[in-house]
Amino acid sequence: EVHLVESGGGLVQPGGSLRLSCTASGFSFSSYSMNWVRQAPGKGLEWISYIRSGSTAMFYADSVQGRFTISRDDAKNSLYLQMNSLRDEDTALYYCTKEAGPGSYADRWGQGTLVTVSS
Amino acid sequence: DIVMTQSPDSLAVSLGERATINCKSSQSVLYSSNNKNYLAWYQQKPGQPPKLLFYWASTRESGVPDRFSGSGSGTDFTLTISSLQAEDVAVYYCQQYYGTRYTFGQGTKLEIK
Repeated sequence: EVHLVESGGGLVQPGGSLRLSCTASGFSFSSYSMNWVRQAPGKGLEWISYIRSGSTAMFYADSVQGRFTISRDDAKNSLYLQMNSLRDEDTALYYCTKEAGPGSYADRWGQGTLVTVSS
Repeated sequence: DIVMTQSPDSLAVSLGERATINCKSSQSVLYSSNNKNYLAWYQQKPGQPPKLLFYWASTRESGVPDRFSGSGSGTDFTLTISSLQAEDVAVYYCQQYYGTRYTFGQGTKLEIK
């Protein structure tokens, strides 16, 4: 069974940094593209970043471009999101998602990790 | 970026009645080389992560009840629940995965009338 477990969330001051992790199990992690999607409290879903299998391509939403970096360690079955220069509006529940295939839909979601940016 | 617009923002339907949610994309998400619409539907219940309902616009994910159906092509898509059940109360999102930057609709909150 596929499992995605996010961690690393917490309270951080504006301008600070945080690194999120997503540990995957139950599938061949290295073969799949992965994404980060966030959801601000009481709001809708916002896709923020994508990484292709083999780390051959990464894409970002405009809202995080230049501040966030997605990466993966296939040996550890782990996905990461390095978040720098955090802003109040980055406060959200951050989900990692597994794609069903190259350039396709997310067929599995983690439970999310909460990031709160506040002074 | 492709903008996804759902309508309505909220919907109240009686148990056993039909519920219809629309999703419109700012440009076509139909890929001509494989004739597939790069459009998915998700259901999110309170306190839970989203759950995949449909992909390629109309392919039902395993385990999704057949009262749910997805349709449409190009820029206009519809999620239909033929006979609303209490457990269908949720927020529903469409998402395009056509471009290199995926985008979601704003969500439609479905409630019981």
